[in-house]
Amino acid sequence: QKEVEQDPGPLSVPEGAIVSLNCTYSNSAFQYFMWYRQYSRKGPELLMYTYSSGNKEDGRFTAQVDKSSKYISLFIRDSQPSDSATYLCAMSGEYSGAGSYQLTFGKGTKLSVIP
Amino acid sequence: NAGVTQTPKFRILKIGQSMTLQCTQDMNHNYMYWYRQDPGMGLKLIYYSVGAGITDKGEVPNGYNVSRSTTEDFPLRLELAAPSQTSVYFCASSYTKATGPVHEQYFGPGTRLTVT
Repeated sequence: QKEVEQDPGPLSVPEGAIVSLNCTYSNSAFQYFMWYRQYSRKGPELLMYTYSSGNKEDGRFTAQVDKSSKYISLFIRDSQPSDSATYLCAMSGEYSGAGSYQLTFGKGTKLSVIP
Repeated sequence: NAGVTQTPKFRILKIGQSMTLQCTQDMNHNYMYWYRQDPGMGLKLIYYSVGAGITDKGEVPNGYNVSRSTTEDFPLRLELAAPSQTSVYFCASSYTKATGPVHEQYFGPGTRLTVT
């Protein structure tokens, strides 16, 4: 079983739809959960960051973490064509000294929002 | 600020050739990383560095070498290029607080490498 599983899509939705993107993981040591957005032929950029379980909201974006189920989600409300990108989940454990910190990425989900 | 810059943007190599991918950051970050991204795959860590003079292997280091002589620069060297090294390479950096590195990594625009 891979450490982080993410449905690669592609996912195509009409403008204004609510989008749900998800990742599951197997390593119970993961404590920090991130969503990166990657536009075509660009580098990833951090979109959302949460620690441990709970919800975090930023404008149209909401990140949810359910550590009991080892499941994280990113919701996009009122989706826009400019949201068309690949969304990568990433996670890591607690920092325990120099060299111990690394991110484990999902494969990414390609999202297209159709006008 | 330019952030993280990478050169070249594109490169085609023949099997067995060598090259260096350049990465520079102007944010005074002490952590730097090299990833490769294959189609439909996530980012795989090749090497990372926690500061000048200190480097360590990531998940997929075979066929690559790195050095870190300054805070700003973190070049990635391919000595004997193989078709399996065809990929998009991303350099990233992050800074640290007293409790450890922050989790936001700043990525460069990538280098698209084809080995034929």
